[in-house]
Amino acid sequence: AQSVTQPDIHITVSEGASLELRCNYSYGATPYLFWYVQSPGQGLQLLLKYFSGDTLVQGIKGFEAEFKRSQSSFNLRKPSVHWSDAAEYFCAVGGRSNDYKLSFGAGTTVTVRA
Amino acid sequence: DAGVTQSPTHLIKTRGQQVTLRCSPKSGHDTVSWYQQALGQGPQFIFQYYEEEERQRGNFPDRFSGHQFPNYSSELNVNALLLGDSALYLCASSLKGTGYEQYFGPGTRLTVT
Repeated sequence: AQSVTQPDIHITVSEGASLELRCNYSYGATPYLFWYVQSPGQGLQLLLKYFSGDTLVQGIKGFEAEFKRSQSSFNLRKPSVHWSDAAEYFCAVGGRSNDYKLSFGAGTTVTVRA
Repeated sequence: DAGVTQSPTHLIKTRGQQVTLRCSPKSGHDTVSWYQQALGQGPQFIFQYYEEEERQRGNFPDRFSGHQFPNYSSELNVNALLLGDSALYLCASSLKGTGYEQYFGPGTRLTVT
Protein backbone atom coordinates (compact mmCIF):
# COMPACT_ATOMS: atom_id res chain seq x y z
CA ALA A 1 0.00 0.00 0.00
CA GLN A 2 1.21 3.48 -0.74
CA SER A 3 1.58 6.06 2.02
CA VAL A 4 3.13 9.44 2.68
CA THR A 5 4.68 10.81 5.85
CA GLN A 6 5.25 14.48 6.46
CA PRO A 7 7.24 14.57 9.71
CA ASP A 8 6.76 18.27 10.43
CA ILE A 9 3.27 19.34 11.48
CA HIS A 10 4.11 23.02 11.72
CA ILE A 11 7.08 25.13 10.58
CA THR A 12 7.68 28.81 11.28
CA VAL A 13 10.08 30.68 9.04
CA SER A 14 11.11 34.32 8.73
CA GLU A 15 10.31 36.19 5.54
CA GLY A 16 13.29 35.98 3.21
CA ALA A 17 14.66 32.84 4.84
CA SER A 18 14.85 29.48 3.11
CA LEU A 19 12.24 26.77 3.57
CA GLU A 20 12.45 23.00 3.35
CA LEU A 21 9.49 20.69 3.88
CA ARG A 22 10.10 16.98 4.30
CA CYS A 23 8.20 14.17 2.64
CA ASN A 24 8.81 10.43 2.82
CA TYR A 25 6.79 7.95 0.83
CA SER A 26 6.19 4.24 0.75
CA TYR A 27 5.45 2.61 -2.58
CA GLY A 28 6.41 -0.64 -4.25
CA ALA A 29 7.87 0.92 -7.36
CA THR A 30 8.81 4.36 -8.63
CA PRO A 31 5.75 6.48 -7.91
CA TYR A 32 4.40 9.69 -9.25
CA LEU A 33 5.05 12.41 -6.64
CA PHE A 34 3.32 15.73 -6.10
CA TRP A 35 3.35 18.77 -3.87
CA TYR A 36 0.15 20.76 -3.37
CA VAL A 37 -0.51 23.96 -1.43
CA GLN A 38 -3.77 24.86 0.29
CA SER A 39 -4.63 28.32 1.54
CA PRO A 40 -7.28 28.61 4.28
CA GLY A 41 -10.71 27.68 3.01
CA GLN A 42 -9.41 26.91 -0.45
CA GLY A 43 -8.85 23.87 -2.62
CA LEU A 44 -5.45 22.44 -3.45
CA GLN A 45 -3.11 24.00 -6.00
CA LEU A 46 -0.48 21.87 -7.70
CA LEU A 47 3.03 23.25 -7.05
CA LEU A 48 5.07 20.63 -8.88
CA LYS A 49 5.22 16.98 -9.88
CA TYR A 50 7.74 14.24 -10.52
CA PHE A 51 7.05 11.46 -12.99
CA SER A 52 10.51 10.45 -14.26
CA GLY A 53 13.81 11.84 -15.48
CA ASP A 54 15.65 14.69 -13.78
CA THR A 55 15.29 14.21 -10.04
CA LEU A 56 15.27 17.95 -9.34
CA VAL A 57 11.98 19.44 -10.47
CA GLN A 58 10.98 23.06 -10.66
CA GLY A 59 7.50 24.26 -9.87
CA ILE A 60 5.47 27.40 -9.62
CA LYS A 61 6.03 30.24 -7.16
CA GLY A 62 9.78 29.56 -6.99
CA PHE A 63 9.47 26.10 -5.41
CA GLU A 64 11.58 23.08 -6.27
CA ALA A 65 11.70 19.50 -5.03
CA GLU A 66 14.24 16.70 -5.22
CA PHE A 67 13.39 13.03 -5.61
CA LYS A 68 15.81 10.74 -3.76
CA ARG A 69 15.02 7.12 -4.43
CA SER A 70 17.52 5.79 -1.88
CA GLN A 71 15.84 7.78 0.89
CA SER A 72 12.26 7.46 -0.41
CA SER A 73 12.01 11.21 -0.08
CA PHE A 74 10.65 14.12 -2.08
CA ASN A 75 11.49 17.26 -0.11
CA LEU A 76 10.17 20.67 -1.12
CA ARG A 77 12.39 23.76 -0.99
CA LYS A 78 12.21 27.48 -1.57
CA PRO A 79 15.28 29.71 -1.30
CA SER A 80 13.48 32.80 0.00
CA VAL A 81 9.94 32.73 1.37
CA HIS A 82 7.39 35.48 1.01
CA TRP A 83 4.57 36.25 3.44
CA SER A 84 2.15 34.90 0.83
CA ASP A 85 3.73 31.44 1.17
CA ALA A 86 1.97 30.96 4.50
CA ALA A 87 -0.33 28.01 3.88
CA GLU A 88 -0.64 24.27 4.32
CA TYR A 89 1.48 22.04 2.12
CA PHE A 90 0.66 18.49 1.16
CA CYS A 91 2.88 15.86 -0.36
CA ALA A 92 1.11 13.17 -2.37
CA VAL A 93 2.02 9.93 -4.08
CA GLY A 94 0.20 8.50 -7.07
CA GLY A 95 0.35 5.04 -8.48
CA ARG A 96 1.01 3.87 -11.97
CA SER A 97 -0.82 1.41 -14.17
CA ASN A 98 -4.30 0.86 -12.81
CA ASP A 99 -3.84 2.66 -9.48
CA TYR A 100 -5.24 6.13 -10.01
CA LYS A 101 -5.69 7.54 -6.54
CA LEU A 102 -3.49 10.10 -4.84
CA SER A 103 -2.46 9.34 -1.27
CA PHE A 104 -1.72 12.44 0.77
CA GLY A 105 0.34 13.13 3.82
CA ALA A 106 -1.21 14.88 6.82
CA GLY A 107 0.25 18.20 5.71
CA THR A 108 2.68 20.79 7.05
CA THR A 109 1.45 24.21 8.09
CA VAL A 110 3.88 27.01 7.26
CA THR A 111 3.78 30.27 9.18
CA VAL A 112 5.82 33.20 7.88
CA ARG A 113 6.89 35.85 10.37
CA ALA A 114 7.89 39.36 9.36
CA ASP B 1 -10.24 28.64 -19.21
CA ALA B 2 -12.51 27.61 -16.36
CA GLY B 3 -10.98 25.49 -13.68
CA VAL B 4 -12.75 22.88 -11.59
CA THR B 5 -15.97 24.18 -10.09
CA GLN B 6 -18.00 22.74 -7.24
CA SER B 7 -21.38 23.45 -5.78
CA PRO B 8 -22.60 24.27 -3.27
CA THR B 9 -19.84 26.02 -1.35
CA HIS B 10 -21.26 25.21 2.07
CA LEU B 11 -23.96 22.84 3.24
CA ILE B 12 -25.49 22.01 6.60
CA LYS B 13 -27.39 18.75 7.01
CA THR B 14 -28.85 16.71 9.84
CA ARG B 15 -27.81 13.18 10.77
CA GLY B 16 -29.63 10.58 8.68
CA GLN B 17 -30.24 12.91 5.76
CA GLN B 18 -28.89 12.54 2.25
CA VAL B 19 -26.71 15.02 0.35
CA THR B 20 -25.63 15.54 -3.27
CA LEU B 21 -22.51 17.48 -4.19
CA ARG B 22 -21.69 18.57 -7.73
CA CYS B 23 -18.51 19.04 -9.73
CA SER B 24 -17.65 20.34 -13.18
CA PRO B 25 -14.18 19.37 -14.39
CA LYS B 26 -11.58 21.63 -15.91
CA SER B 27 -12.16 22.24 -19.60
CA GLY B 28 -10.79 19.34 -21.63
CA HIS B 29 -10.60 16.91 -18.71
CA ASP B 30 -12.54 13.66 -18.79
CA THR B 31 -11.80 12.09 -15.39
CA VAL B 32 -13.17 13.12 -12.00
CA SER B 33 -11.99 12.05 -8.56
CA TRP B 34 -13.55 12.81 -5.19
CA TYR B 35 -11.70 13.26 -1.91
CA GLN B 36 -12.78 13.82 1.68
CA GLN B 37 -10.66 16.13 3.82
CA ALA B 38 -11.45 16.09 7.52
CA LEU B 39 -10.31 19.02 9.62
CA GLY B 40 -6.55 18.97 10.15
CA GLN B 41 -5.96 16.02 7.84
CA GLY B 42 -4.89 15.34 4.30
CA PRO B 43 -7.46 14.47 1.64
CA GLN B 44 -8.63 10.85 1.49
CA PHE B 45 -9.55 9.27 -1.85
CA ILE B 46 -13.21 8.31 -2.19
CA PHE B 47 -13.50 7.22 -5.83
CA GLN B 48 -12.70 8.12 -9.42
CA TYR B 49 -15.01 8.22 -12.43
CA TYR B 50 -14.00 7.81 -16.04
CA GLU B 51 -16.28 7.15 -19.03
CA GLU B 52 -19.27 7.36 -16.68
CA GLU B 53 -18.08 4.41 -14.61
CA GLU B 54 -16.46 4.11 -11.22
CA ARG B 55 -12.90 3.14 -12.05
CA GLN B 56 -11.39 2.92 -8.57
CA ARG B 57 -12.69 3.22 -5.03
CA GLY B 58 -11.07 4.01 -1.71
CA ASN B 59 -12.01 2.70 1.73
CA PHE B 60 -15.40 4.34 2.01
CA PRO B 61 -18.72 2.62 2.75
CA ASP B 62 -21.47 2.11 0.20
CA ARG B 63 -23.27 5.14 1.65
CA PHE B 64 -20.93 7.08 -0.62
CA SER B 65 -21.90 6.81 -4.25
CA GLY B 66 -21.32 8.81 -7.37
CA HIS B 67 -22.19 9.43 -10.95
CA GLN B 68 -20.54 10.89 -14.00
CA PHE B 69 -22.54 12.44 -16.81
CA PRO B 70 -21.78 12.43 -20.55
CA ASN B 71 -20.43 15.99 -20.26
CA TYR B 72 -17.90 14.65 -17.69
CA SER B 73 -19.45 16.49 -14.73
CA SER B 74 -19.98 14.43 -11.63
CA GLU B 75 -22.05 14.09 -8.48
CA LEU B 76 -21.16 12.68 -5.08
CA ASN B 77 -24.06 11.32 -3.03
CA VAL B 78 -23.86 10.47 0.65
CA ASN B 79 -26.77 8.67 2.31
CA ALA B 80 -27.63 8.29 6.00
CA LEU B 81 -25.28 11.08 7.04
CA LEU B 82 -23.20 10.66 10.18
CA LEU B 83 -21.54 13.35 12.28
CA GLY B 84 -18.21 11.97 11.06
CA ASP B 85 -19.08 12.84 7.48
CA SER B 86 -18.50 16.50 8.28
CA ALA B 87 -15.57 17.50 6.10
CA LEU B 88 -14.40 19.42 3.06
CA TYR B 89 -15.23 17.44 -0.05
CA LEU B 90 -12.85 18.05 -2.90
CA CYS B 91 -13.34 17.25 -6.54
CA ALA B 92 -10.33 16.83 -8.81
CA SER B 93 -10.22 16.48 -12.56
CA SER B 94 -7.59 15.01 -14.83
CA LEU B 95 -7.03 13.83 -18.35
CA LYS B 96 -6.55 10.16 -18.98
CA GLY B 97 -2.99 9.50 -20.04
CA THR B 98 -1.35 12.51 -18.34
CA GLY B 99 0.06 10.63 -15.40
CA TYR B 100 -2.68 11.29 -12.91
CA GLU B 101 -1.97 15.01 -12.63
CA GLN B 102 -5.10 16.14 -10.82
CA TYR B 103 -6.48 19.65 -10.55
CA PHE B 104 -8.66 20.43 -7.56
CA GLY B 105 -11.73 22.54 -7.10
CA PRO B 106 -12.37 24.82 -4.09
CA GLY B 107 -14.37 22.16 -2.29
CA THR B 108 -17.75 21.89 -0.60
CA ARG B 109 -17.78 22.27 3.17
CA LEU B 110 -20.34 19.82 4.61
CA THR B 111 -21.42 20.13 8.22
CA VAL B 112 -23.57 17.40 9.73
CA THR B 113 -25.41 18.30 12.95
